[in-house]
Amino acid sequence: DTAVSQTPKYLVTQMGNDKSIKCEQNLGHDTMYWYKQDSKKFLKIMFSYNNKELIINETVPNRFSPKSPDKAHLNLHINSLELGDSAVYFCASRSAGGGSETQYFGPGTRLLVL
Amino acid sequence: QKEVEQDPGPLSVPEGAIVSLNCTYSNSAFQYFMWYRQYSRKGPELLMYTYSSGNKEDGRFTAQVDKSSKYISLFIRDSQPSDSATYLCATIIQGAQKLVFGQGTRLTINP
Repeated sequence: DTAVSQTPKYLVTQMGNDKSIKCEQNLGHDTMYWYKQDSKKFLKIMFSYNNKELIINETVPNRFSPKSPDKAHLNLHINSLELGDSAVYFCASRSAGGGSETQYFGPGTRLLVL
Repeated sequence: QKEVEQDPGPLSVPEGAIVSLNCTYSNSAFQYFMWYRQYSRKGPELLMYTYSSGNKEDGRFTAQVDKSSKYISLFIRDSQPSDSATYLCATIIQGAQKLVFGQGTRLTINP
């Protein structure tokens, strides 16, 4: 069973297009995240939702809009794609409490903007 | 200054060597410290987790936190080619939602 899944795995598209990435977790966690990982492997948080409510919104262009239809799903829509949006996007869900803190990552969506 | 600094490497060592990976952080409020391992074309996965200062051992892996010097270490004993991956340190303030990652160190173990 896949704990955190993302679709699609690969996305190649032209500049200016609009695209969406979907994420689902079957772990029963309340908190989910979107991260962007650049070519140098730096993992940067973009958004976080807790039980469908936006709790973290880093300085991300407003072309990026997350949506959480329920606490098991967190999608990311990107408008007017730019070359600099090319990266790997990871979804994660969080287990915290009882003295522990763990994030479970999806396999990533490799986005290439041409 | 980044909140968490990590030497990106790359680091290449022979099989069987002891590997030391390190991070420094700036915010003394950080209380949970983690090491994530990321294989090529995969998502990061939690490898080790410690709360506050001290050591934690799990098989060939030892995580060490020194809060007085704001220093996080991961030691790998008897390193294997299967340990080749990018290792990311991460930390979080208790009660916060945001995990702060280091840049990641790319490690290669040569057979």
